[in-house]
Amino acid sequence: QVQLQESGPGLVKPSQTLSLTCTVSGGSISSGDYYWSWIRQPPGKGLEWIGYIYYSGSTYYNPSLKSRVTISVDTSKNQFSLKLSSVTAADTAVYYCARQDTAMVTYGYWGQGTLVTVSS
Amino acid sequence: QSALTQPASVSGSPGQSITISCTGTSSDVGGYNYVSWYQQHPGKAPKLMIYEVSNRPSGVPDRFSGSKSGNTASLTISGLQAEDEADYYCSSYTSSSTGVVFGGGTKLTVL
Repeated sequence: QVQLQESGPGLVKPSQTLSLTCTVSGGSISSGDYYWSWIRQPPGKGLEWIGYIYYSGSTYYNPSLKSRVTISVDTSKNQFSLKLSSVTAADTAVYYCARQDTAMVTYGYWGQGTLVTVSS
Repeated sequence: QSALTQPASVSGSPGQSITISCTGTSSDVGGYNYVSWYQQHPGKAPKLMIYEVSNRPSGVPDRFSGSKSGNTASLTISGLQAEDEADYYCSSYTSSSTGVVFGGGTKLTVL
């Protein structure tokens, strides 16, 4: 059974960089069948796709966040990471990592989510 | 990319059926059969309920069904049960970013 777990600071100051890591267990991140994704949800609001990465390092980002987002992968640690620069209060959200099936464009496995608050 | 359009809320009584719509464009919902539906209970991660417009993952009750016509996809829940009360989100592949776009979410209340 695949499991994903987010980790990282729960509080980030405005203008700084948000950094999160997702550790994958129960399966290899190097499988060619999946994209590894970040999705966020501001408190009381809907889901927003941030982007995803293939094990080879190919990335795809939400155009509205592209200038501030970097997603990377470390296959040796079975982890992938998110960096979001120049954060503001609008970036306060629960951040989820998830596994996207490349063939079906669907998210069958999610992490539990981690709340990141942007505040001084 | 703009979010897909869903009604903010729907409601129904136990045993009844409800339908939630999800409207996009020819660049997403209308152009591809990659529409998914997710159920989210408060404080929990979303759970996949429907993929590729109308397919149910193993373990999802057959009370949940999906369909699509043109640029609008729909999720129907028949025989409503109290535990179906949750937020529901649609998603679709979008060619505008070769990524994914979500709907704004619909709160289902079981009366």
